[in-house]
Amino acid sequence: DAKTTQPTSMDCAEGRAANLPCNHSTISGNEYVYWYRQIHSQGPQYIIHGLKNNETNEMASLIITEDRKSSTLILPHATLRDTAVYYCIVRVRDSRAGNNRKLIWGLGTSLAVNP
Amino acid sequence: EAQVTQNPRYLITVTGKKLTVTCSQNMNHEYMSWYRQDPGLGLRQIYYSMNVEVTDKGDVPEGYKVSRKEKRNFPLILESPSPNQTSLYFCASSSPSRTSAFEQFFGPGTRLTVL
Repeated sequence: DAKTTQPTSMDCAEGRAANLPCNHSTISGNEYVYWYRQIHSQGPQYIIHGLKNNETNEMASLIITEDRKSSTLILPHATLRDTAVYYCIVRVRDSRAGNNRKLIWGLGTSLAVNP
Repeated sequence: EAQVTQNPRYLITVTGKKLTVTCSQNMNHEYMSWYRQDPGLGLRQIYYSMNVEVTDKGDVPEGYKVSRKEKRNFPLILESPSPNQTSLYFCASSSPSRTSAFEQFFGPGTRLTVL
């Protein structure tokens, strides 16, 4: 199964861009990269996902390298409310059930946005 | 408002006393799942359900039961809780019919303590 590697923690100044890296060197060609975040033990919240191309939505941008072995989540103007644990997840097919798309959760990156 | 609800949010119980944590979603999602989250271990899948009357074990199913009699509800049952089931539990739902987007919507969490 594809796994991800993220730094344990990062800091960012309020108003600056937060760039969160993720390595997924064993990713397969048809597996997507998902990003979620979890604010202080609340339920995780979906941010963005991508396959090959860079993606942008109202929350963030996702930059995926050409070889797809790593990606970066960008929060363009971080606020204090963006302080959270950010999870980079590769979507895999569960071998026990053909249609199940299980998400494998690591420990994420704890992002602290400082005033 | 589209949401996943869980009840109770907090529960303290004693070893062996059967309990049920309810989960309900109003988005007509086929897929539902239960996770537990423990420090240092991340989110681990307990059970999932692809649709009504279709359930399967996740990574840590021991000591848990689920049922899916209705599309909107996916209760988690602990027949004889033990202290090692003390954890933060999340229910999630998704609509896997969209081939590329497997965004999961999470409930607010249930913090369970078994004494």
